[in-house]
Amino acid sequence: DGGITQSPKYLFRKEGQNVTLSCEQNLNHDAMYWYRQDPGQGLRLIYYSQIVNDFQKGDIAEGYSVSREKKESFPLTVTSAQKNPTAFYLCASSPRQGERMNTEAFFGQGTRLTVV
Amino acid sequence: AQSVAQPEDQVNVAEGNPLTVKCTYSVSGNPYLFWYVQYPNRGLQFLLKYITGDNLVKGSYGFEAEFNKSQTSFHLKKPSALVSDSALYFCAVRVAGGGNKLTFGTGTQLKVEL
Repeated sequence: DGGITQSPKYLFRKEGQNVTLSCEQNLNHDAMYWYRQDPGQGLRLIYYSQIVNDFQKGDIAEGYSVSREKKESFPLTVTSAQKNPTAFYLCASSPRQGERMNTEAFFGQGTRLTVV
Repeated sequence: AQSVAQPEDQVNVAEGNPLTVKCTYSVSGNPYLFWYVQYPNRGLQFLLKYITGDNLVKGSYGFEAEFNKSQTSFHLKKPSALVSDSALYFCAVRVAGGGNKLTFGTGTQLKVEL
């Protein structure tokens, strides 16, 4: 089955540690996204990538980093610089603009990160 | 800049009654509009989209939405609500020719009661 896989589902981090959230897709989509979800604030865009080896900051990129070395993978690292990392993180993918641009984005099941 | 507003944090409706979840948008250019639904601790599921053409769009599970360009709105509707429709609903916008940036609203919690 085609889809997006996020792992792990639950992640605990000690203060001062970096952690990496995994996102893999087999939909052959060029564009991938990371969103952060907090209660009452909806989904806020952290980073997005339109093609391999390219990515852009979203609205709340501070304290996060990404890489896009492969089309299928878009890992997100939450660094120690992120002061309030406890949240639900969602990864998504879609065809790139110009390639069925009007097709919706597909989402993974999310990773819940908790700082302990 | 593009943005989406969902003015209601929560909507309550009785089962069998019609429901409306409101969404307005702000973009420079032509919008592509989407509705998603989220159940607790899960990802988002796509419901429907407006790209071009007919202003009334029909989607999954009996939902529909009406695109109104003059009011910059894209309200989600269903003629007869079910208890199982209770969930968190998100509206999203992407701009034609504006890259792939997809912007979401803050979400509306729909509660359908017996």
